[in-house]
Amino acid sequence: ETGVTQTPRHLVMGMTNKKSLKCEQHLGHNAMYWYKQSAKKPLELMFVYNFKEQTENNSVPSRFSPECPNSSHLFLHLHTLQPEDSALYLCASSQALAGEETQYFGPGTRLLVL
Amino acid sequence: QKEVEQDPGPLSVPEGAIVSLNCTYSNSAFQYFMWYRQYSRKGPELLMYTYSSGNKEDGRFTAQVDKSSKYISLFIRDSQPSDSATYLCATGFQKLVFGTGTRLLVSP
Repeated sequence: ETGVTQTPRHLVMGMTNKKSLKCEQHLGHNAMYWYKQSAKKPLELMFVYNFKEQTENNSVPSRFSPECPNSSHLFLHLHTLQPEDSALYLCASSQALAGEETQYFGPGTRLLVL
Repeated sequence: QKEVEQDPGPLSVPEGAIVSLNCTYSNSAFQYFMWYRQYSRKGPELLMYTYSSGNKEDGRFTAQVDKSSKYISLFIRDSQPSDSATYLCATGFQKLVFGTGTRLLVSP
């Protein structure tokens, strides 16, 4: 595996379900990110992790719960979501603090909440 | 006012045309500027990265930043049908701010 991988690629869930999105980066980076991409809207930054520590929570509802067990893995735990949470969820990584901020994205998980 | 403004398009051009994609931004403190390309059902792919003002060229792609007018551009020379995608501009450091993306269609 190379780059940034995400699983699953597609997910359909009901509003009462609990599911998790997984992201893994194979680039040796020290920062990881979750973004939400909705139709006709800009990418929205959700969370930032630097060296496994959460350094940014962009006013994300508590029904989204991130977890970063190490610098290579990032999870997004989902529970009691709403239909408006249906979107493409993108993970990214970067070698931050190196003077050049280049984020590399995974293919995304397309989520549909019914 | 949005932090980054970008015309959503679509922008339709014939193969071989020169394409100009543009964004404006509001925060004069931004120093890093990026262009990403996103194909349908894929994640964004970094195309160009520039720091501060000036031009940067990579093959058929040229990125231009004018900090005095808070204007960033991406030029594509000799456009190809494979360039058909959505182009996203972004700025910031770690907390990236993105435009909505411009959809480009290059017809053979």
